[in-house]
Amino acid sequence: NAGVTQTPKFQVLKTGQSMTLQCAQDMNHEYMSWYRQDPGMGLRLIHYSVGAGITDQGEVPNGYNVSRSTTEDFPLRLLSAAPSQTSVYFCASAKRDNEQFFGPGTRLTVL
Amino acid sequence: GQSLEQPSEVTAVEGAIVQINCTYQTSGFYGLSWYQQHDGGAPTFLSYNALDGLEETGRFSSFLSRSDSYGYLLLQELQMKDSASYFCAVKADTGRRALTFGSGTRLQVQP
Repeated sequence: NAGVTQTPKFQVLKTGQSMTLQCAQDMNHEYMSWYRQDPGMGLRLIHYSVGAGITDQGEVPNGYNVSRSTTEDFPLRLLSAAPSQTSVYFCASAKRDNEQFFGPGTRLTVL
Repeated sequence: GQSLEQPSEVTAVEGAIVQINCTYQTSGFYGLSWYQQHDGGAPTFLSYNALDGLEETGRFSSFLSRSDSYGYLLLQELQMKDSASYFCAVKADTGRRALTFGSGTRLQVQP
């Protein structure tokens, strides 16, 4: 099993550009989520999904969209990138409560 | 809402024991988790406490007191590889499986 995979690993955007961060898991987990981590801080929940076709907002959803068409994939879309969105983005999946499996992260810089 | 407090940094020597505390305030509480994150890496799950008491997993133990809204992670026989950031996280809404993370404690193990 590959676990949770994320692409790309690094990305540089200009203000106003849009892009999609990809996340996939091969563990058949129903629950998937996106977090952002800023320097010296914990993880903040952006969006999450409890199953295909079901998504909901987390703590910091503004500027991001998600969709969940399959169990395996949970892409995160940045609609119009802003410097405040410079961060490391982690995707996670879980089957059992509280044991979340994290992907390797995407390091995003918005100029 | 939820808030968690943990020390920002802890330093200890190889072979020693260190305790990382976490206090939390939540509108509802289902459990306290601990995650480890090495620099540049993804968080990895260490432990979960839903009930009062001590849970032991090898060199790591985690404790919870629901009445005090307090928990700690105990690391024994410290090794250099234990140098990392440690995050406590609370699960406060059973339907969402969403975790709220603390800001993390950076542990530095010295020879």
